[in-house]
Amino acid sequence: EDKVVQSPLSLVVHEGDTVTLNCSYEVTNFRSLLWYKQEKKAPTFLFMLTSSGIEKKSGRLSSILDKKELSSILNITATQTGDSAIYLCATPEGSGGSNYKLTFGKGTLLTVNP
Amino acid sequence: DVKVTQSSRYLVKRTGEKVFLECVQDMDHENMFWYRQDPGLGLRLIYFSYDVKMKEKGDIPEGYSVSREKKERFSLILESASTNQTSMYLCASSLWGGGTKNIQYFGAGTRLSVL
Repeated sequence: EDKVVQSPLSLVVHEGDTVTLNCSYEVTNFRSLLWYKQEKKAPTFLFMLTSSGIEKKSGRLSSILDKKELSSILNITATQTGDSAIYLCATPEGSGGSNYKLTFGKGTLLTVNP
Repeated sequence: DVKVTQSSRYLVKRTGEKVFLECVQDMDHENMFWYRQDPGLGLRLIYFSYDVKMKEKGDIPEGYSVSREKKERFSLILESASTNQTSMYLCASSLWGGGTKNIQYFGAGTRLSVL
Protein backbone atom coordinates (compact mmCIF):
# COMPACT_ATOMS: atom_id res chain seq x y z
CA GLU A 1 0.00 0.00 0.00
CA ASP A 2 1.33 3.41 -0.98
CA LYS A 3 2.52 5.52 1.90
CA VAL A 4 2.74 8.76 -0.08
CA VAL A 5 -0.10 9.55 -2.48
CA GLN A 6 -0.14 12.48 -4.86
CA SER A 7 -3.07 13.90 -6.76
CA PRO A 8 -3.84 14.57 -9.45
CA LEU A 9 -1.41 12.34 -11.35
CA SER A 10 -1.49 14.74 -14.27
CA LEU A 11 -2.82 18.19 -14.93
CA VAL A 12 -2.97 20.45 -17.99
CA VAL A 13 -3.49 24.18 -17.52
CA HIS A 14 -3.04 27.41 -19.45
CA GLU A 15 -0.41 30.01 -18.71
CA GLY A 16 -1.57 32.33 -15.96
CA ASP A 17 -3.69 29.74 -14.18
CA THR A 18 -3.17 28.88 -10.51
CA VAL A 19 -2.70 25.23 -9.64
CA THR A 20 -2.81 23.24 -6.41
CA LEU A 21 -1.04 19.92 -6.13
CA ASN A 22 -1.81 17.53 -3.29
CA CYS A 23 0.27 15.09 -1.30
CA SER A 24 -0.98 12.84 1.48
CA TYR A 25 1.20 10.59 3.59
CA GLU A 26 0.89 7.80 6.07
CA VAL A 27 4.10 7.04 7.92
CA THR A 28 5.04 6.17 11.47
CA ASN A 29 6.88 8.94 13.31
CA PHE A 30 6.41 11.67 10.73
CA ARG A 31 9.39 14.01 10.53
CA SER A 32 9.06 16.15 7.44
CA LEU A 33 7.70 16.37 3.94
CA LEU A 34 9.78 17.37 0.93
CA TRP A 35 8.78 18.71 -2.47
CA TYR A 36 10.89 18.34 -5.60
CA LYS A 37 10.52 19.59 -9.17
CA GLN A 38 11.72 17.37 -12.02
CA GLU A 39 12.03 18.80 -15.50
CA LYS A 40 13.80 16.75 -18.12
CA LYS A 41 16.47 15.47 -15.79
CA ALA A 42 17.44 15.65 -12.11
CA PRO A 43 14.75 16.31 -9.50
CA THR A 44 15.62 19.55 -7.74
CA PHE A 45 14.68 20.33 -4.17
CA LEU A 46 11.95 22.91 -3.56
CA PHE A 47 10.77 22.82 0.04
CA MET A 48 11.02 20.93 3.29
CA LEU A 49 8.05 21.24 5.65
CA THR A 50 8.09 20.19 9.27
CA SER A 51 5.46 22.29 11.05
CA SER A 52 1.73 22.54 10.37
CA GLY A 53 0.36 25.80 9.09
CA ILE A 54 3.65 27.50 8.29
CA GLU A 55 3.85 28.42 4.63
CA LYS A 56 7.08 28.08 2.74
CA LYS A 57 7.34 30.39 -0.25
CA SER A 58 9.66 30.84 -3.19
CA GLY A 59 8.51 33.26 -5.86
CA ARG A 60 5.24 31.98 -7.30
CA LEU A 61 5.52 28.63 -5.50
CA SER A 62 4.31 28.05 -1.99
CA SER A 63 3.62 25.03 0.16
CA ILE A 64 1.98 24.25 3.46
CA LEU A 65 1.67 21.22 5.70
CA ASP A 66 -1.41 20.02 7.59
CA LYS A 67 -0.40 17.39 10.12
CA LYS A 68 -4.00 16.80 11.24
CA GLU A 69 -4.98 15.88 7.70
CA LEU A 70 -1.62 14.16 7.01
CA SER A 71 -1.25 16.17 3.86
CA SER A 72 0.51 19.00 2.10
CA ILE A 73 -0.30 21.21 -0.85
CA LEU A 74 1.94 22.91 -3.37
CA ASN A 75 0.52 26.04 -4.99
CA ILE A 76 1.79 27.65 -8.13
CA THR A 77 0.31 31.02 -9.05
CA ALA A 78 0.42 32.70 -12.48
CA THR A 79 1.81 29.53 -14.07
CA GLN A 80 4.35 29.76 -16.89
CA THR A 81 5.39 27.19 -19.47
CA GLY A 82 8.62 26.78 -17.52
CA ASP A 83 6.60 25.34 -14.63
CA SER A 84 5.86 22.27 -16.76
CA ALA A 85 7.44 19.40 -14.86
CA ILE A 86 6.81 16.43 -12.63
CA TYR A 87 6.33 17.51 -9.02
CA LEU A 88 7.32 14.92 -6.44
CA CYS A 89 6.66 14.79 -2.75
CA ALA A 90 8.50 12.55 -0.32
CA THR A 91 8.79 11.83 3.36
CA PRO A 92 11.72 10.35 5.32
CA GLU A 93 11.44 6.90 6.82
CA GLY A 94 13.89 5.43 9.24
CA SER A 95 16.46 3.08 7.78
CA GLY A 96 18.30 2.30 10.97
CA GLY A 97 19.62 4.36 13.86
CA SER A 98 19.24 8.05 13.09
CA ASN A 99 19.47 7.63 9.35
CA TYR A 100 16.64 8.01 6.88
CA LYS A 101 15.65 7.26 3.33
CA LEU A 102 12.91 9.02 1.37
CA THR A 103 9.66 7.44 0.25
CA PHE A 104 8.31 9.21 -2.83
CA GLY A 105 4.83 9.60 -4.24
CA LYS A 106 4.23 8.81 -7.91
CA GLY A 107 4.39 12.48 -8.82
CA THR A 108 2.09 14.96 -10.54
CA LEU A 109 2.84 15.73 -14.18
CA LEU A 110 2.01 19.38 -14.75
CA THR A 111 1.74 20.70 -18.30
CA VAL A 112 1.36 24.44 -18.80
CA ASN A 113 0.22 25.41 -22.28
CA PRO A 114 0.85 28.89 -23.71
CA ASP B 1 27.66 23.81 -5.43
CA VAL B 2 26.22 20.34 -4.92
CA LYS B 3 27.06 17.91 -7.68
CA VAL B 4 25.98 14.34 -8.42
CA THR B 5 27.28 13.03 -11.72
CA GLN B 6 26.05 9.96 -13.54
CA SER B 7 28.43 8.58 -16.11
CA SER B 8 26.00 8.25 -19.01
CA ARG B 9 22.80 10.06 -20.02
CA TYR B 10 21.73 7.39 -22.49
CA LEU B 11 22.74 3.77 -22.72
CA VAL B 12 21.63 0.98 -25.06
CA LYS B 13 22.47 -2.61 -24.13
CA ARG B 14 21.51 -6.07 -25.28
CA THR B 15 19.65 -8.68 -23.24
CA GLY B 16 22.07 -10.70 -21.13
CA GLU B 17 24.81 -8.08 -21.03
CA LYS B 18 26.38 -6.99 -17.76
CA VAL B 19 25.72 -3.29 -17.27
CA PHE B 20 27.44 -0.84 -14.95
CA LEU B 21 25.91 2.50 -14.04
CA GLU B 22 28.27 4.83 -12.22
CA CYS B 23 27.51 7.71 -9.90
CA VAL B 24 29.92 10.14 -8.28
CA GLN B 25 29.16 12.86 -5.72
CA ASP B 26 31.49 15.61 -4.58
CA MET B 27 29.72 16.60 -1.37
CA ASP B 28 31.27 14.09 1.04
CA HIS B 29 27.81 12.60 1.63
CA GLU B 30 27.52 9.38 3.60
CA ASN B 31 24.30 8.16 1.94
CA MET B 32 23.94 7.25 -1.70
CA PHE B 33 20.86 5.88 -3.44
CA TRP B 34 19.83 4.25 -6.70
CA TYR B 35 16.26 4.63 -7.98
CA ARG B 36 14.48 3.67 -11.12
CA GLN B 37 11.70 5.83 -12.48
CA ASP B 38 8.93 4.49 -14.69
CA PRO B 39 5.75 6.21 -15.94
CA GLY B 40 2.90 5.66 -13.54
CA LEU B 41 5.16 4.05 -10.92
CA GLY B 42 7.19 7.01 -9.71
CA LEU B 43 10.64 6.70 -8.10
CA ARG B 44 11.34 3.30 -6.64
CA LEU B 45 14.37 2.65 -4.47
CA ILE B 46 16.62 -0.17 -5.68
CA TYR B 47 19.51 -0.04 -3.21
CA PHE B 48 21.14 2.44 -0.93
CA SER B 49 24.42 2.71 0.92
CA TYR B 50 25.16 4.59 4.12
CA ASP B 51 28.91 4.00 4.20
CA VAL B 52 31.74 2.54 2.19
CA LYS B 53 31.16 -1.17 1.54
CA MET B 54 27.76 -0.97 3.29
CA LYS B 55 24.54 -1.48 1.37
CA GLU B 56 20.89 -2.12 2.02
CA LYS B 57 18.16 -3.38 -0.25
CA GLY B 58 15.46 -0.99 -1.22
CA ASP B 59 12.00 -1.85 -2.50
CA ILE B 60 12.98 -3.52 -5.80
CA PRO B 61 16.50 -5.02 -5.53
CA GLU B 62 15.85 -8.12 -7.64
CA GLY B 63 18.09 -8.29 -10.68
CA TYR B 64 20.46 -5.60 -9.38
CA SER B 65 23.56 -5.37 -7.23
CA VAL B 66 25.65 -2.42 -6.06
CA SER B 67 29.18 -1.58 -5.13
CA ARG B 68 30.59 1.19 -2.98
CA GLU B 69 34.35 0.96 -2.69
CA LYS B 70 34.91 4.68 -2.17
CA LYS B 71 32.76 7.21 -0.36
CA GLU B 72 32.15 9.34 -3.43
CA ARG B 73 31.26 6.56 -5.86
CA PHE B 74 28.25 4.23 -5.98
CA SER B 75 27.78 1.76 -8.81
CA LEU B 76 24.64 -0.05 -9.88
CA ILE B 77 25.20 -3.38 -11.63
CA LEU B 78 22.77 -5.29 -13.79
CA GLU B 79 24.33 -8.77 -13.84
CA SER B 80 22.33 -9.92 -16.87
CA ALA B 81 20.23 -7.14 -18.36
CA SER B 82 16.64 -7.89 -19.29
CA THR B 83 14.12 -5.90 -21.28
CA ASN B 84 12.07 -5.18 -18.15
CA GLN B 85 15.05 -3.23 -16.82
CA THR B 86 14.59 -0.61 -19.52
CA SER B 87 14.03 2.51 -17.45
CA MET B 88 15.37 5.85 -16.21
CA TYR B 89 17.89 5.32 -13.42
CA LEU B 90 18.53 8.11 -10.93
CA CYS B 91 21.32 8.35 -8.40
CA ALA B 92 21.07 10.55 -5.32
CA SER B 93 23.08 11.36 -2.22
CA SER B 94 22.46 12.87 1.19
CA LEU B 95 24.10 13.39 4.52
CA TRP B 96 23.64 10.82 7.27
CA GLY B 97 21.07 11.84 9.87
CA GLY B 98 17.75 13.65 10.18
CA GLY B 99 16.31 17.08 9.55
CA THR B 100 17.69 18.93 6.55
CA LYS B 101 20.22 16.11 6.13
CA ASN B 102 17.35 14.13 4.59
CA ILE B 103 17.43 16.35 1.50
CA GLN B 104 18.65 14.19 -1.35
CA TYR B 105 20.53 15.62 -4.31
CA PHE B 106 20.05 13.91 -7.63
CA GLY B 107 22.08 13.23 -10.71
CA ALA B 108 20.68 13.92 -14.18
CA GLY B 109 19.70 10.29 -14.72
CA THR B 110 20.66 7.52 -17.12
CA ARG B 111 18.05 6.37 -19.60
CA LEU B 112 18.80 2.70 -20.19
CA SER B 113 17.30 0.74 -23.05
CA VAL B 114 17.73 -3.03 -23.08
CA LEU B 115 17.05 -4.57 -26.47
